[in-house]
Amino acid sequence: AQSVSQHNHHVILSEAASLELGCNYSYGGTVNLFWYVQYPGQHLQLLLKYFSGDPLVKGIKGFEAEFIKSKFSFNLRKPSVQWSDTAEYFCAVSNTDKLIFGTGTRLQVFP
Amino acid sequence: SAVISQKPSRDICQRGTSLTIQCQVDSQVTMMFWYRQQPGQSLTLIATANQGSEATYESGFVIDKFPISRPNLTFSTLTVSNMSPEDSSIYLCSVEDLHPRTDTQYFGPGTRLTVL
Repeated sequence: AQSVSQHNHHVILSEAASLELGCNYSYGGTVNLFWYVQYPGQHLQLLLKYFSGDPLVKGIKGFEAEFIKSKFSFNLRKPSVQWSDTAEYFCAVSNTDKLIFGTGTRLQVFP
Repeated sequence: SAVISQKPSRDICQRGTSLTIQCQVDSQVTMMFWYRQQPGQSLTLIATANQGSEATYESGFVIDKFPISRPNLTFSTLTVSNMSPEDSSIYLCSVEDLHPRTDTQYFGPGTRLTVL
C-alpha cells in the first residue's frame, strides 16, 4: 500500500531562515505529488504539484519542491521564510484519483 | 479552481445521533471526495462520490455509518450516523474535475464535529 512520510512533525524557525520539509513516499509506479498548506483558521490550499517534466517545481509564495525519483522524495523548500508562512504543511501522493496524505508538519515562524 | 462551501462549519452533537454535512460547489465537477481529519492526525479518505453511481468506500469505512448522496454535479452530502465521541473530527469534501482533467483535488473549508 502507498504511504507518505513526513519526518518533521514540528519545525520552529526565525524569519529569513531557510526551510526544508521532508517528504518520502512508498510506491514503485508513476505518482503525482502535491504539497498542500493549511494556514491557521483556513482551509487546505494547494501549494504546488508535480506530475512530470522538470523535477524542480515552483509553487505559490516562493515555495518550491524537488522530486528525486531515486530517493522517493519530494521535499519542500523556501529560501527565506516569513511569519505569514506559519501553517501546517501536508505532502500527498496519488497514482489514481486517491490522495494519500502524510501526517503533516507544523511550521512556526517567529519574527 | 472551484469554490467549495460546507454546512455546517461546526457542530456539537450528542452520542447516538446523526449529522448530515453538505458540500456545495460553484461549478459542475465530476468527482467529489469525503475525508476525515481526526485531532492531530492527517487526512484520511472516507469515500469517493461520483454523480450517478454508488459511493466507493475505503477500507474501514462503511455505508451504514457514513451514507453519502450525490444527487447532481454540484452537491453532495455525508451523514455521520449513530455518532460516538470517536467520530469527533474535521470532515472535508474535495473535488476534482475530469473535464478537463486536472488530477488535482481542491478542498472545502471543513466541518468541525464534536460528539459528546
